[in-house]
Amino acid sequence: NAGVTQTPKFQVLKTGQSMTLQCAQDMNHEYMSWYRQDPGMGLRLIHYSVGAGITDQGEVPNGYNVSRSTTEDFPLRLLSAAPSQTSVYFCASSYREGFTEAFFGQGTRLTVV
Amino acid sequence: AQKITQTQPGMFVQEKEAVTLDCTYDTSDPSYGLFWYKQPSSGEMIFLIYQGSYDQQNATEGRYSLNFQKARKSANLVISASQLGDSAMYFCAMRPLNRDDKIIFGKGTRLHILP
Repeated sequence: NAGVTQTPKFQVLKTGQSMTLQCAQDMNHEYMSWYRQDPGMGLRLIHYSVGAGITDQGEVPNGYNVSRSTTEDFPLRLLSAAPSQTSVYFCASSYREGFTEAFFGQGTRLTVV
Repeated sequence: AQKITQTQPGMFVQEKEAVTLDCTYDTSDPSYGLFWYKQPSSGEMIFLIYQGSYDQQNATEGRYSLNFQKARKSANLVISASQLGDSAMYFCAMRPLNRDDKIIFGKGTRLHILP
């Protein structure tokens, strides 16, 4: 079972470059989300989606774009990378019902130099 | 607005002792779910336990139990008979039950189990 697949696992970017973090799930989950994890800050929500064609902002959306054209995929785009975006990024998915837990990808460690 | 607070940045506990990790929350939703996750040093997020706001009994899963006090808005995780492998970061999370909305997390507690 693939579950939630995130790619790449590691990435180094130069300031100003753009890139897309990929997230795919094969569990037919309606809900998908992106978090960033920084020391002492926990998991902060960047963007989330409750279904194809529907996205919404989380706590720290600036500098990131998302789209949800299919149920399976929820890519996160960094438009112009900044050192402040150096972080570990997690994609998570779950069923829409609130009593179900979220399943996480393995994370992407991004460094912006 | 929803909020999760974990007030213990780090804890040191002797092996085989029980440990309680604190979690308080704030929400205006009448029904909600509370979750705990474990993140070992390898980085993956592992789901541990779930408690619904309308559940009459506290949730238990093996050595994990959730001390749910609705009036106090607290959902503390209790690990009985701690093991070295319990050393990890632990996150408390919440989401509403009856509407589409996000899952939010606390800042986490790093637990160190001492031999």
